[in-house]
Amino acid sequence: GQQVMQIPQYQHVQEGEDFTTYCNSSTTLSNIQWYKQRPGGHPVFLIQLVKSGEVKKQKRLTFQFGEAKKNSSLHITATQTTDVGTYFCAGFTDSSYKLIFGSGTRLLVRP
Amino acid sequence: EAGVAQSPRYKIIEKRQSVAFWCNPISGHATLYWYQQILGQGPKLLIQFQNNGVVDDSQLPKDRFSAERLKGVDSTLKIQPAKLEDSAVYLCASSLPRTGWHEAFFGQGTRLTVV
Repeated sequence: GQQVMQIPQYQHVQEGEDFTTYCNSSTTLSNIQWYKQRPGGHPVFLIQLVKSGEVKKQKRLTFQFGEAKKNSSLHITATQTTDVGTYFCAGFTDSSYKLIFGSGTRLLVRP
Repeated sequence: EAGVAQSPRYKIIEKRQSVAFWCNPISGHATLYWYQQILGQGPKLLIQFQNNGVVDDSQLPKDRFSAERLKGVDSTLKIQPAKLEDSAVYLCASSLPRTGWHEAFFGQGTRLTVV
C-alpha cells in the first residue's frame, strides 16, 4: 500500500537556526498538504501544493513539491520557540481519494 | 464557524470492553475521516466516508472496529472488544465535498486508554 515517510524523525535546534523536514511517498501524489500538530493538540492545516515543482512561502516557512510529485519539503528559516511541534505531510494519489499522513518530524527549539 | 466536535475527550476502559466515539463534522462537509494516532506516530487512516458511503476502510480492523455515518452527518466509531494496542488518540476530520482538494479540519480527538 501507499507509504509516506518523513525524515528526520526528530530535530532539536537552537532558536534562530534553520530547520528542514523531508517527505517521500512510495507513489506519485496528486497533491500534498502540510499540517502542524502542537504537543497535546490536533493537526492543523498549513498549506497545499498541487503542481510539480511548486514552491510556496508563508513568512518564514517555505514549502516545495518535487518535480516527480513523489517528494516534498518544508523549510523553516530562523526558528522560534513557537515553531515547536510535529510537522506532517499528507497526500492523495491520483487513483485514491484517501488522505494518507506521513510519519512526522518532531521539532524542538531551545530558547 | 463551529469546528469538528468529538466526544468523549478521554476514555479509560478495560481490555475486552467495548467503547464508542462520536463525531460531528463541520456543517456542509461531505467527507469525514477517522484516524488512529498512536503516541509518537502519524495519524493512520481507519475509514473515510463521502456523505454516508464508505470510500475506504482498508485499514479498519473489521473484526473489532465498526463505523457508521447516518444521514451523511454525524459518525460513530466503535471498538468491541478493545485490546491493549488500541490505546491511542482517535481523530475525526472533515473536508469539503470536492475530495482531495481541500484541507481536512480535525476535532480535538478522543484519547483512549485500554488497561
